[in-house]
Amino acid sequence: EDKVVQSPLSLVVHEGDTVTLNCSYEVTNFRSLLWYKQEKKAPTFLFMLTSSGIEKKSGRLSSILDKKELFSILNITATQTGDSAIYLCAVEATGNQFYFGTGTSLTVIP
Amino acid sequence: DGGITQSPKYLFRKEGQNVTLSCEQNLNHDAMYWYRQDPGQGLRLIYYSQIVNDFQKGDIAEGYSVSREKKESFPLTVTSAQKNPTAFYLCASSMGDDSYEQYFGPGTRLTVT
Repeated sequence: EDKVVQSPLSLVVHEGDTVTLNCSYEVTNFRSLLWYKQEKKAPTFLFMLTSSGIEKKSGRLSSILDKKELFSILNITATQTGDSAIYLCAVEATGNQFYFGTGTSLTVIP
Repeated sequence: DGGITQSPKYLFRKEGQNVTLSCEQNLNHDAMYWYRQDPGQGLRLIYYSQIVNDFQKGDIAEGYSVSREKKESFPLTVTSAQKNPTAFYLCASSMGDDSYEQYFGPGTRLTVT
């Protein structure tokens, strides 16, 4: 059965800490992996990863994909309270089928 | 088991036909949402409902309609007016507007030919 598993389920850190969020998957006919940030509205798209080993960066956020070991990580450096959110990982398979993880809830304490 | 269900997983329709996608939740959540996911794009909000008998348009509501007659159910109708209906549709629910923790269903892949 195709699935996407995120860990940890929740995380509490202090401002300035660096966090790493994990996403592992077992999806047949993988096409891409997507990361989203979800606050009190529709999830915001962060990254789409298709190739192994190529890091994508946006400010303090970065992500990388390992297609051999079937996982991705999302790093956030120098965390701020505004980073508090749920981070979703999703995998796209061929045929435009998507599988979403349950998310990691991040809380950044001042 | 509590959760949110969508059916069917795959749906095929001919162009010009309306089609209704099912979304049911037994989490006692007040709010429910419909999103559309296209390749290479983020999730886009179609409609959402914060309470029974009330719903609001999202960013891409044209060509879609919803109803919220029961708390547990939030069906989405893709009408023939929707110009590009083939997509992956995701339903979600949450406790309410103050909660950003949305629970997602498994999705329905709609193909219109």
